[in-house]
Amino acid sequence: DIVMTQTPLSSPVTLGQPASISCRSSQSLVHSDGNTFLSWLQQRPGQPPRLLIYEISNRFSGVPDRFSGSGAGTEFTLKISRVEAEDVGIYYCMQTTQFPFTFGPGTKVEIK
Amino acid sequence: QVQLVESGGGVVQPGRSLRLSCAASGFTFSNYAMHWVRQAPGKGLEWVTIIWHDGSNKYYADSVKGRFTISRDDSKNTLYIQMNSLRAEDTAVYYCARAGVVLIPDYWGQGTLVTVSS
Repeated sequence: DIVMTQTPLSSPVTLGQPASISCRSSQSLVHSDGNTFLSWLQQRPGQPPRLLIYEISNRFSGVPDRFSGSGAGTEFTLKISRVEAEDVGIYYCMQTTQFPFTFGPGTKVEIK
Repeated sequence: QVQLVESGGGVVQPGRSLRLSCAASGFTFSNYAMHWVRQAPGKGLEWVTIIWHDGSNKYYADSVKGRFTISRDDSKNTLYIQMNSLRAEDTAVYYCARAGVVLIPDYWGQGTLVTVSS
C-alpha cells in the first residue's frame, strides 16, 4: 500500500498570513497513464470532508483561489496564500493512483 | 445540487451485521462510481471501498476485505455497504462520496455513525 505522510501535523497560523502543508508518498503517484492522482481535502470542525484540489493543482468547483497545490512524483504541497478564519480545520492529502486509496494523517490548521 | 444522505448507522454488537445506505440525488447516479470512507472517533480518514458506475468492479481496503460488501441499486439511486463480522475497530462515521473525475471523492454525505460495542 502507498503510505502518505504529512508535515506539519499541526500548524498555528496568523490570520492573513500564508500557510503551507507538505505531503509525501512512499512511492511515485504517477499513474501508468501519465497523470498524478494526488488530491487535497479540507475537513472543518463537525463537517464532512470537502474536496479542494485534485490532480496536484486543479481547484475543485467553488474553491477560493487562495488555495493552490503543487508538486510531482512523491512530494506535494498545499498552500493557502492568506489564511481566513473559515480555513480552520484538518487538511488531508489523498492518493487515488493505486488501490487501496490512502489518505495522509491530516494537518490541523488553527489560528494563533 | 448533489446530495448524499447516509442512513442505517447505530449500535451493534461485535460479530453482528449492519447495512448502511446512501441515497443520492442531484446527479445521474448510474454514471458515477461511488466510495465509502470512514473516520473513527477523533481519527483521520480511511478509504473503505469503491464500486464502479456499472457495478463491474469493486475494490476494498484490506481491513474490511471479506467482511464488507459494496453494492448499488441504480433504480433507487442508492448505494449500500453490507458489513458483517463487525469488530470494535469498525466503529466510525461512515461517509459515502461520489467518485468524480478520475475517481476522486468530490461530493460527500454528512455520514452515519456505527458503534460496535457489547
